[in-house]
Amino acid sequence: QVQLQESGPGLVKPSETLSLTCTVSGGSINNYYWSWIRQPPGKGLEWIGYIHYSGSTYYNPSLKSRLTISADTSENQFSLRLRSVTAADTAVYYCARLRWGRYYFDYWGQGTLVTVSS
Amino acid sequence: QSALTQPASVSGSPGQSITISCTGTSSDVGGYRSVSWYQVHPGKAPKIMIYDVTSRPAGVSNRFSGSKSGNTASLTISGLQAEDEADYYCSSYTSSSTFSVFGTGTKVTVL
Repeated sequence: QVQLQESGPGLVKPSETLSLTCTVSGGSINNYYWSWIRQPPGKGLEWIGYIHYSGSTYYNPSLKSRLTISADTSENQFSLRLRSVTAADTAVYYCARLRWGRYYFDYWGQGTLVTVSS
Repeated sequence: QSALTQPASVSGSPGQSITISCTGTSSDVGGYRSVSWYQVHPGKAPKIMIYDVTSRPAGVSNRFSGSKSGNTASLTISGLQAEDEADYYCSSYTSSSTFSVFGTGTKVTVL
């Protein structure tokens, strides 16, 4: 059974960089696409971006200028870096596996709350 | 790209059937079979319930079914049970630059 676990600071200061890592167990990140998705408090889900294990990426245009998603196949992890954060970036951040071609997310982490505040 | 439109809440008594709608456009829901549904319990990992409009992953109860007509997809839960109380989100591939769009979310309450 594939399992995903997000990790990273729960509090980030405004204008700084939010960094999260998703560790995949029970399966390899090779040959799959992986995504980040977030949910601001009281709001719905928002797709952030995806990465193929080979390194190719695609980002939500609304975040593209501040976003970097990378993968480390040796550690079976992928990561998110979101620069110049504001309070609007406060959210529960989820990582998930994306089934390419049919475009659904079949495995998810349980999410981690990141608060942007001074 | 706007979020897909779902009712904010739907409720039903145990044993009843409920249906959650998910309305988009011809650029997303209406144009592709890539509609999926997710169940979200607070503090837990979201769980996929339906993919490809009508397909159910292994292990998901057959009380959950999906359908689509035009630009609106639907999730039906039959034989409602207390454990079905959760938030539900639809999602669709979109030809817009955002690639994937989610619904606004529906809170299901079992009375």
